[in-house]
Amino acid sequence: AQSVTQLDSQVPGFEEAPVELRCNYSSSVSVYLFWYVQYPNQGLQLLLKYLSGSTLVKGINGFEAEFNKSQTSFHLRKPSVHISDTAEYFCAVSILTGGGNKLTFGTGTQLKVEL
Amino acid sequence: KAGVTQTPRYLIKTRGQQVTLSCSPISGHRSVSWYQQTPGQGLQFLFEYFSETQRNKGNFPGRFSGRQFSNSRSEMNVSTLELGDSALYLCASSKAGGPDTQYFGPGTRLTVL
Repeated sequence: AQSVTQLDSQVPGFEEAPVELRCNYSSSVSVYLFWYVQYPNQGLQLLLKYLSGSTLVKGINGFEAEFNKSQTSFHLRKPSVHISDTAEYFCAVSILTGGGNKLTFGTGTQLKVEL
Repeated sequence: KAGVTQTPRYLIKTRGQQVTLSCSPISGHRSVSWYQQTPGQGLQFLFEYFSETQRNKGNFPGRFSGRQFSNSRSEMNVSTLELGDSALYLCASSKAGGPDTQYFGPGTRLTVL
């Protein structure tokens, strides 16, 4: 079975400073990786995904992530964060199982950006 | 294109009752998945439906069930509600399933008293 570990439950951010949210996964088969963001009282919005190809993935709102197979990591980065990026971020993995689609999520990282 | 819609957005029930939640996927999407989100357990997969057939199931008791209609709309039902069923229930749709991108609705907040 696959699993996802988000190493930090909370990460402080500062306006216009870079931030990194860490994600490690475990799986015996190839995985597909996703980052989602959740704003208060809302559903999940896809930030970016890695299915294959280039290991550096660019997403919406200036976010990017790098897939590192040897370290089984998929860390999320943003060069310059803003207060509006304050939200909870979830890393997720998916494998082809039973011909279907099932996401396994990490426990989430709360990013709070301050001035 | 309209996103995933879920109704109702909020529900309050008492223990022992049953509840039905509804999800309308994005037009053209045939796969619908359900997730439960709680502060203690995080986001957990409930089940996935594709072309009216359950294709995957998570580790939840039989009180949790679902179905999908020919227009891809889906419902999930929880019978004999327990306090621990209080959660945000999220529905997600994708075009054909794995590993296609899943698009999430705003969720239904269920409170069990």
